[in-house]
Amino acid sequence: AQSVTQLGSHVSVSEGALVLLRCNYSSSVPPYLFWYVQYPNQGLQLLLKYTTGATLVKGINGFEAEFKKSETSFHLTKPSAHMSDAAEYFCAVSYNAGGTSYGKLTFGQGTILTVHP
Amino acid sequence: DTGVSQNPRHKITKRGQNVTFRCDPISEHNRLYWYRQTLGQGPEFLTYFQNEAQLEKSRLLSDRFSAERPKGSFSTLEIQRTEQGDSAMYLCASSLAMGSPLHFGNGTRLTVT
Repeated sequence: AQSVTQLGSHVSVSEGALVLLRCNYSSSVPPYLFWYVQYPNQGLQLLLKYTTGATLVKGINGFEAEFKKSETSFHLTKPSAHMSDAAEYFCAVSYNAGGTSYGKLTFGQGTILTVHP
Repeated sequence: DTGVSQNPRHKITKRGQNVTFRCDPISEHNRLYWYRQTLGQGPEFLTYFQNEAQLEKSRLLSDRFSAERPKGSFSTLEIQRTEQGDSAMYLCASSLAMGSPLHFGNGTRLTVT
């Protein structure tokens, strides 16, 4: 069974400050890990994904995440927050089925990011 | 690529009524997923199709819920005898193949009064 825990349901930062959104996962098999962003009344947009290989993954809009197997973590960071980053962020895990993502995702509870001037 | 389309965007219904939602995936995508998202929670998996075959159903999908994907194109999700606990955002996603990222639609928000 897989699960995802996002630490902090709300994170508030100043514009220009570092963004750090925390995600820990539990998986009995090698995971595939994802971060999605959701704006109000919209669907989810993929920010980045980790499958295999390089553990530091770069995504869209300046976001990146690092897979740390020893810590079972996949935290999302952005060096400098922008007002447009205000949204809800979801970490998700899928499992590795014969070398590729199974597809079905298990999501965390979400973290609402607020960016203030 | 016109994206995943879901209709209607909003649905208000009275308890006990039946409702049906439609999802049109990205045209070449053969995998289609339904998720449910309640307020303050992440999306929860309901079911998925590969082409027209429904390959997995969550325990969340009670007997009142049924999903179809005739001819492997659009999909419908029907909820019979709606209950207030069914109020949620219903999200549809599609992917090209196993291993490809999921593309989500904007969802259908159901309110059961």
